[in-house]
Amino acid sequence: RKEVEQDPGPFNVPEGATVAFNCTYSNSASQSFFWYRQDCRKEPKLLMSVYSSGNEDGRFTAQLNRASQYISLLIRDSKLSDSATYLCVVNIRVTGGGNKLTFGTGTQLKVEL
Amino acid sequence: DGGITQSPKYLFRKEGQNVTLSCEQNLNHDAMYWYRQDPGQGLRLIYYSQIVNDFQKGDIAEGYSVSREKKESFPLTVTSAQKNPTAFYLCASSMDRAIESAQYFGPGTRLTVL
Repeated sequence: RKEVEQDPGPFNVPEGATVAFNCTYSNSASQSFFWYRQDCRKEPKLLMSVYSSGNEDGRFTAQLNRASQYISLLIRDSKLSDSATYLCVVNIRVTGGGNKLTFGTGTQLKVEL
Repeated sequence: DGGITQSPKYLFRKEGQNVTLSCEQNLNHDAMYWYRQDPGQGLRLIYYSQIVNDFQKGDIAEGYSVSREKKESFPLTVTSAQKNPTAFYLCASSMDRAIESAQYFGPGTRLTVL
């Protein structure tokens, strides 16, 4: 089983739609979680951290479910500019005091007119 | 403007040559990282450094080397021992070692071995 799993998509949605992505992780010791956005042939950019209580940033809402080991991203009123690949990222503490990010392979979103 | 820069943007190399990819940050971040990204795969960690003059191997360090002589700089050398070096290389930094610290990425270097 992969450490971080995402549906690769693509999710093709009309402009204005609400779309939700889930991501599951296998390591119950995972301690922090992030969503990144990556445009084609560009670097990943931090979209938002995911907190236990859930958090919202404008049209974007992230949720964490530790019991079921998944995180979600909800995008409301989607825009053409939201078209990108969304990466789920999980951070765990490793021996020696450092931490390790594990990246999912991403979910591709295409917003259409 | 604060940020992370990588150079060159595109690099072509002949087999058997070593090449060094540059990564510089002026964010005053303690930790820096190197990843590679291949089509259809998640980012994979090559090396990371949490303080100056110290670095650790990531998941796929074979065929790569790094140095961290300055806080701002973390160059990656792709040696001829790396069997499949063609990839998109991404450098990242984070404020510190805290588990909550997000990582911020540079624009990447696309390496192609001819």
